[in-house]
Amino acid sequence: DQQVKQNSPSLSVQEGRISILNCDYTNSMFDYFLWYKKYPAEGPTFLISISSIKDKNEDGRFTVFLNKSAKHLSLHIVPSQPGDSAVYFCASSGSQGNLIFGKGTKLSVKP
Amino acid sequence: DAGITQSPRYKITETGRQVTLMCHQTWSHSYMFWYRQDLGHGLRLIYYSAAADITDKGEVPDGYVVSRSKTENFPLTLESATRSQTSVYFCASGVLAGVPDTQYFGPGTRLTVL
Repeated sequence: DQQVKQNSPSLSVQEGRISILNCDYTNSMFDYFLWYKKYPAEGPTFLISISSIKDKNEDGRFTVFLNKSAKHLSLHIVPSQPGDSAVYFCASSGSQGNLIFGKGTKLSVKP
Repeated sequence: DAGITQSPRYKITETGRQVTLMCHQTWSHSYMFWYRQDLGHGLRLIYYSAAADITDKGEVPDGYVVSRSKTENFPLTLESATRSQTSVYFCASGVLAGVPDTQYFGPGTRLTVL
């Protein structure tokens, strides 16, 4: 049973526009939510996180929003750039210190 | 070089053979993890280690063995490889459990079991 769900396997946006990646979770006890970015043939790299006590966290072009009542978070990228094309994983910190990942969303930003 | 490295990067083996994937980190992070990435599953935890000589199972540990005699190394062994273990394997390290931005991933090992 998936605890972290990314229901859109892919997303295509035009350069300069907003990219919105969505994630749903089932466990209301999760403390942290994270987004990782992954390029082909590389390991995931940390992008941005949010604590469950906040509803928004910004870092430059990247903003994560958390809606606890809906158990939903989203990553906004504004403006999107071709270099943002990658697979984005939503994750939550698990009880073993590990990360519980969604299946990922492949973002393509077209020039 | 500083960081986290994995070897080999690519490996092809046959069913029933033993395979060891290596992971080495230079930060002296206490926590180390092994994940596998499969199409349609994201990344799933195989084993983790909180410190040298302390290891524990993750979500999908069957068919795998780990050891951690030194802080910097965390090898993953497939005792008798099966086709279902064809996957991309990622090693990660971190300072503290539960602190979200301190897990760093290696480049991955793509393993094919024929």
